[in-house]
Amino acid sequence: GQNIDQPTEMTATEGAIVQINCTYQTSGFNGLFWYQQHAGEAPTFLSYNVLDGLEEKGRFSSFLSRSKGYSYLLLKELQMKDSASYLCAVSDSNYQLIWGAGTKLIIKP
Amino acid sequence: TAGITQAPTSQILAAGRSMTLRCTQDMRHNAMYWYRQDLGLGLRLIHYSNTAGTTGKGEVPDGYSVSRANTDDFPLTLASAVPSQTSVYFCASSDKLPGGELFFGEGSRLTVL
Repeated sequence: GQNIDQPTEMTATEGAIVQINCTYQTSGFNGLFWYQQHAGEAPTFLSYNVLDGLEEKGRFSSFLSRSKGYSYLLLKELQMKDSASYLCAVSDSNYQLIWGAGTKLIIKP
Repeated sequence: TAGITQAPTSQILAAGRSMTLRCTQDMRHNAMYWYRQDLGLGLRLIHYSNTAGTTGKGEVPDGYSVSRANTDDFPLTLASAVPSQTSVYFCASSDKLPGGELFFGEGSRLTVL
């Protein structure tokens, strides 16, 4: 079956760096997405990786290794507003998105 | 800019009643989707539409129906609600096929008693 694994919850300190991991097993691969979802709100797009390597976008970076079925989202210079859930999703061979359950990130002052 | 508008924001519904969740987008996106989000689970696709006039079943379609009469509107209907359909429902759209970024509505919280 298809599966996306990511930690349920992580805690980090304001100003620090945190890495949120995502491992996947899917039938085919057509890209990996990261979304941010604040409590009670809709998910919003953060990044898309389809080739191996690191994509940097401001304080956020996303890494992909297709051979390992692995991705991570790196958040630098953490701010209180980064407290949210981070959702990993993989596009499978039929271009259907398979979603992880999300990682709740708690930022402490 | 409105983007995607969902209604109602929240609703309490008696089991056995029917309900339509409305979704309208003003971005002229071809693809639209309905997801449900439950605690501890990833978003699960209920139904989708790649273009006006076509619809398809997602991972959890049972008990739900959709229509896509035009580009902008994609309503989701529960014909006879059951408590297991208590969830937060998100409508989303994409301007790219396949595999484009999704734009989500604000969600509709449905409680079936």
